[in-house]
Amino acid sequence: GEDVEQSLFLSVREGDSSVINCTYTDSSSTYLYWYKQEPGAGLQLLTYIFSNMDMKQDQRLTVLLNKKDKHLSLRIADTQTGDSAIYFCAESISTGRRALTFGSGTRLQVQP
Amino acid sequence: EPEVTQTPSHQVTQMGQEVILRCVPISNHLYFYWYRQILGQKVEFLVSFYNNEISEKSEIFDDQFSVERPDGSNFTLKIRSTKLEDSAMYFCASSGSGTQNEKLFFGSGTQLSVL
Repeated sequence: GEDVEQSLFLSVREGDSSVINCTYTDSSSTYLYWYKQEPGAGLQLLTYIFSNMDMKQDQRLTVLLNKKDKHLSLRIADTQTGDSAIYFCAESISTGRRALTFGSGTRLQVQP
Repeated sequence: EPEVTQTPSHQVTQMGQEVILRCVPISNHLYFYWYRQILGQKVEFLVSFYNNEISEKSEIFDDQFSVERPDGSNFTLKIRSTKLEDSAMYFCASSGSGTQNEKLFFGSGTQLSVL
């Protein structure tokens, strides 16, 4: 079955880059997502990448996908204290199917 | 910006009682979902709904659960006879059609506590 794994915690200093990593098991993943959850809030879609892409950039966010290693990363440039949150990686395994499989989430702590 | 709205934000119920969790998806979206997150565990898929019927459901979504779109704006999750292990944060999500189908937008969740 599908499984998505993430490290639990990352601490960085304000202004540094953050890199949050994710691995997944199902090679038939079609879309991979990054969601952000702030305390008391829902899951905010940050970005997503289609599996035929290697990289996607959106302002301060860069997503890298290594299909061979089944590895996904999210890089946040110039990390700010407002970026402190839990970041979830998720995958869907076929077009038309939206049963996302989520990782456990990585708590990003940004030190001033 | 349009958003998915869930009510109530917190619901406390006694074991064995029925609960209905309510969601208002984004207005032009056609696909609707329920997910849940038990404290300390991963977010899990429950069910997806399209064209007034369930399109997919997980093993969690047993006969105790049902979904309904009673009118043009609401999407509900009913748990018929709640158990202690149903305590979780329940998230509603919706997505559009065509190229927007892949983007799932989530609500803020309903924290369900079963006592």
